[in-house]
Amino acid sequence: KQEVTQIPAALSVPEGENLVLNCSFTDSAIYNLQWFRQDPGKGLTSLLLIQSSQREQTSGRLNASLDKSSGRSTLYIAASQPGDSATYLCAVSHNAGGTSYGKLTFGQGTILTVHP
Amino acid sequence: SQTIHQWPATLVQPVGSPLSLECTVEGTSNPNLYWYRQAAGRGLQLLFYSVGIGQISSEVPQNLSASRPQDRQFILSSKKLLLSDSSFYLCAWSVVQYASTDTQYFGPGTRLTVL
Repeated sequence: KQEVTQIPAALSVPEGENLVLNCSFTDSAIYNLQWFRQDPGKGLTSLLLIQSSQREQTSGRLNASLDKSSGRSTLYIAASQPGDSATYLCAVSHNAGGTSYGKLTFGQGTILTVHP
Repeated sequence: SQTIHQWPATLVQPVGSPLSLECTVEGTSNPNLYWYRQAAGRGLQLLFYSVGIGQISSEVPQNLSASRPQDRQFILSSKKLLLSDSSFYLCAWSVVQYASTDTQYFGPGTRLTVL
């Protein structure tokens, strides 16, 4: 059974700091790994998707890496801003029982607070 | 462009009452549709997914059910709500071309409180 763990559960940093969020998963047989952002009381917004054959993806101040063999991913946020405050969720897409698409298993998220 | 709608946004229901949450997707055809539940402080739990009209797969046995009467409509129901059904319910869709690039797009969610 695939399990996804995110560390830390919560993080509070001053504006401008670079920070790293961690995600680990137990089964390396994945299609991809995805990072989502969730604002309080809202739905999820996709940030980055790393295919299983890739090592990293970048979007603006965000950089996500994937080490599939060790079951780890990191999300690096450069020059953090108060607007980055949200919950960040990691999810892995893995085989959904013989179908052509994947099932997402989510971690519990990291609550990020960036204070001015 | 594609959009996904959920309603209602918030709902307060008494224990034992029925439930119907609706999700609709615009701007795409034959999407995969998903219902998730997110309890406070916990990750998302997949409840149901559908690959086509009338095709529903259940991930977690409980007193909830799902239906897909139309291609872009997904409904979450219950005949009798329990206190433990209080949660944040999210609908999502995807159009799968390759599993390696498949991602899901989420609706705004429904906050359900059972009293």
